[in-house]
Amino acid sequence: DGGITQSPKYLFRKEGQNVTLSCEQNLNHDAMYWYRQDPGQGLRLIYYSQIVNDFQKGDIAEGYSVSREKKESFPLTVTSAQKNPTAFYLCASRGRDRGGNTEAFFGQGTRLTVV
Amino acid sequence: AQKVTQAQTEISVVEKEDVTLDCVYETRDTTYYLFWYKQPPSGELVFLIRRNSFDEQNEISGRYSWNFQKSTSSFNFTITASQVVDSAVYFCALSEARVSGANSKLTFGKGITLSVRP
Repeated sequence: DGGITQSPKYLFRKEGQNVTLSCEQNLNHDAMYWYRQDPGQGLRLIYYSQIVNDFQKGDIAEGYSVSREKKESFPLTVTSAQKNPTAFYLCASRGRDRGGNTEAFFGQGTRLTVV
Repeated sequence: AQKVTQAQTEISVVEKEDVTLDCVYETRDTTYYLFWYKQPPSGELVFLIRRNSFDEQNEISGRYSWNFQKSTSSFNFTITASQVVDSAVYFCALSEARVSGANSKLTFGKGITLSVRP
C-alpha cells in the first residue's frame, strides 16, 4: 500500500546524543516535511524539501538537520544542539493532482524522549 | 509570510449540538490552499478538506460543512449534530501556491481541542 512510514514509533535517547528519525514514502511525492508537535503548540515546521537534493528551513530549524538524497527518503537528525528535543515528530509528503498541490499525507509519528 | 490563527483553544459541547471551529489566515499570495485536519487521541492526522483560493464555494460533506470567506480571510468548519467520536484536535493549515507548481511551505494553526460529551 502507498503511504508514509516513520520509524521507530518510540525512541529514547540520552541527553547529548544525536538521533536520526526515519521517514520513507512510496507515493512518488516531490515534497516532504518534518513537523514537531508539543502540547498546545500545534504543528511547527522544522524543515521541508520541495525536491531531491534541496531543502528549506522551517520555523524551528535550530538544532536539527536533514538530507534529501533520494525522493523517497527524508531523514531528520536531532542534534545535541537542540535544547528541548523531547516531542512528537511527524513527517509528511505532498504531490500534485488535477486540483493542484495536494494535501499533506502524514506518517504515524515518532515520539522521542530524551532522558 | 503566512500565518494561521485558530483563536479557540478548547471547545466543549454536548452531543447533538452544532459547533463551529474558526480559522483565520494571513498570506500575501493571491493563490493558495487551505486545509482542515483532524487528530484523534490515537495521534494520526486525518485529512478532511482541501480548498483552493479561487474556489469560494462552500462545501458540505455529511455532518461537516466549511465556509470559505476570502473577504475576511476565514475558513471556518462546522460540525452539525456533534457526536462523541468527533472529539479530537482540529487543525487548519495554509500553503501558498507557486507558479512553478511546486509544493511550498505548509503552515498549521495551533489546533482546537473539541470535546463532545454524551
